[in-house]
Amino acid sequence: GDSVTQMEGPVTLSEEAFLTINCTYTATGYPSLFWYVQYPGEGLQLLLKATKADDKGSNKGFEATYRKETTSFHLEKGSVQVSDSAVYFCALSDPRSGNEKLTFGTGTRLTIIP
Amino acid sequence: KAGVTQTPRYLIKTRGQQVTLSCSPISGHRSVSWYQQTPGQGLQFLFEYFSETQRNKGNFPGRFSGRQFSNSRSEMNVSTLELGDSALYLCASSPWTSGSETQYFGPGTRLLVL
Repeated sequence: GDSVTQMEGPVTLSEEAFLTINCTYTATGYPSLFWYVQYPGEGLQLLLKATKADDKGSNKGFEATYRKETTSFHLEKGSVQVSDSAVYFCALSDPRSGNEKLTFGTGTRLTIIP
Repeated sequence: KAGVTQTPRYLIKTRGQQVTLSCSPISGHRSVSWYQQTPGQGLQFLFEYFSETQRNKGNFPGRFSGRQFSNSRSEMNVSTLELGDSALYLCASSPWTSGSETQYFGPGTRLLVL
């Protein structure tokens, strides 16, 4: 079945550092790929998404490129802020499945120190 | 538009009891999905409803059930609660117009089983 493997955390960075959180996937077809973020005590918020190969999703300074050849969707940000501290989830869905099921990675806890 | 709302936000139950959680999707959204989030298992898909029909179900025992009403509001029920059912239960809605839709999550219901 479909699966998502995400970089283990926790990750601790200094403010203004460069961020990469690795995400790879296994899927039989051509999934849609998502990054969701969860702030303490809250539900999940969509950060960005990409629906086909070579698409780049971007939002709030974060970027991720759908790489079919490496089955990856790594999250990057050039300069992190304290407010980026949260748990980040990589996820996929199968557009051919006829339903909206999301398969999630384990999540990566990110802490940014001033 | 108002976001996805879930009630109650917090719940404490004892083993053997049953519980019903409610989710109101974003207006116009017809698909509602439920997820269980625990520290050990991460985010796991429970089920998805569309137009009052269950479209997909995750790998959970029959104690977990759900339904969707004609106004797209959804409820999930857990009978004969076990300690391991303690979790954050997240509801998500999407418009379901072409597949690969963004799912919008509610804040969750935190269930504690004693």
